[in-house]
Amino acid sequence: QQQVKQSPQSLIVQKGGISIINCAYENTAFDYFPWYQQFPGKGPALLIAIRPDVSEKKEGRFTISFNKSAKQFSLHIMDSQPGDSATYFCAASIGPDKLIFGTGTRLQVFP
Amino acid sequence: DTAVSQTPKYLVTQMGNDKSIKCEQNLGHDTMYWYKQDSKKFLKIMFSYNNKELIINETVPNRFSPKSPDKAHLNLHINSLELGDSAVYFCASSPRQGGSYGYTFGSGTRLTVV
Repeated sequence: QQQVKQSPQSLIVQKGGISIINCAYENTAFDYFPWYQQFPGKGPALLIAIRPDVSEKKEGRFTISFNKSAKQFSLHIMDSQPGDSATYFCAASIGPDKLIFGTGTRLQVFP
Repeated sequence: DTAVSQTPKYLVTQMGNDKSIKCEQNLGHDTMYWYKQDSKKFLKIMFSYNNKELIINETVPNRFSPKSPDKAHLNLHINSLELGDSAVYFCASSPRQGGSYGYTFGSGTRLTVV
């Protein structure tokens, strides 16, 4: 119940295309859903986050779509750029509890 | 002016040795964490401290012992290193206890046990 399932494991997208990464969860008590971005040799960094009372949140080219009834949320990267090539992690947490991370998606954007 | 700094960045050591990884944050955060990232990139929490008090210990072998001398520092000591300990270890901090405050990660320490 504490798991967050992430797919796909890897993703290859052409420059300018849309990258979509999906996550699913079981525990309906989760109340915070962030996405972290990790470049090689660096630690993960917070990219964008959403709470379950909102169905979508957009920041620049990055959008989180949240489907509470399906217990799923996804990250959409519009106009994907080679500089977006990184590993992306979804995560979830409940109140003061720790973040539970998904298994990660390696995104490669080719010119 | 690095926010969360870890030392060393790389650590190569033989099985059976004891080693330490240091972590310091200058963000004034109350909560610090240690995460282990394996070769498949999976991030697993090991420990969490809030104002120097241990709040999470995720079934980590006794060979791993965290120490927080003050709320800006969280060190990780590992005894009797094993091959399976090879991984990247990340220190992180957050303003308060809880994922919704946002974690700031260090750049990691790549530990290789040979």
